[in-house]
Amino acid sequence: DTGVSQDPRHKITKRGQNVTFRCDPISEHNRLYWYRQTLGQGPEFLTYFQNEAQLEKSRLLSDRFSAERPKGSFSTLEIQRTEQGDSAMYLCASSHSPGTGSAGGYTFGSGTRLTVV
Amino acid sequence: AQSVTQLDSQVPVFEEAPVELRCNYSSSVSVYLFWYVQYPNQGLQLLLKYLSGSTLVKGINGFEAEFNKSQTSFHLRKPSVHISDTAEYFCAVSVGGAQKLVFGQGTRLTINP
Repeated sequence: DTGVSQDPRHKITKRGQNVTFRCDPISEHNRLYWYRQTLGQGPEFLTYFQNEAQLEKSRLLSDRFSAERPKGSFSTLEIQRTEQGDSAMYLCASSHSPGTGSAGGYTFGSGTRLTVV
Repeated sequence: AQSVTQLDSQVPVFEEAPVELRCNYSSSVSVYLFWYVQYPNQGLQLLLKYLSGSTLVKGINGFEAEFNKSQTSFHLRKPSVHISDTAEYFCAVSVGGAQKLVFGQGTRLTINP
């Protein structure tokens, strides 16, 4: 296993366009998380999945954001009608669920850097 | 609600000098605590974590941290830094069953030759 993969690494889009990012987690991890990191800040939680179920969404996740994890494997994060304020690094992470002896054992991907012009 | 405060936004040190990066947290329940490192244009890599047990936790790359419950702190230390330690360091607390992480704002560690 090569870790958590995110695609693309960089995305430049015009304001108002839709963008979609993909995350491939470590195969045996059943939890998948999305975070957003703006310049000079720590990452902020957006949403997470346990298997295919989306269990929690942050208030940061406006109606223009949607995430899916079909079949509990890879996940996509879509942003519709992008705004300049959406410019950030979008990080994906995966982990085992609690009780498996790996509490907090997140593995992060390298992120997708989105620039909205 | 849980929160994390990293007291220094930037820490410059000379190579081979010791360093301490400070982190305080607030929580009304027991927490798990973490330090992550982020190199430019990369994701986050786990340095070390405190779940329970010994309050002195050793991590990768020669880093260690001490959990102090009474002071609600989890400071990161390294006795002798190298140029390669130049990076952004994030302290985080794990919240609830979801284990989502609440991060501090980060400390930029710059090593000068």
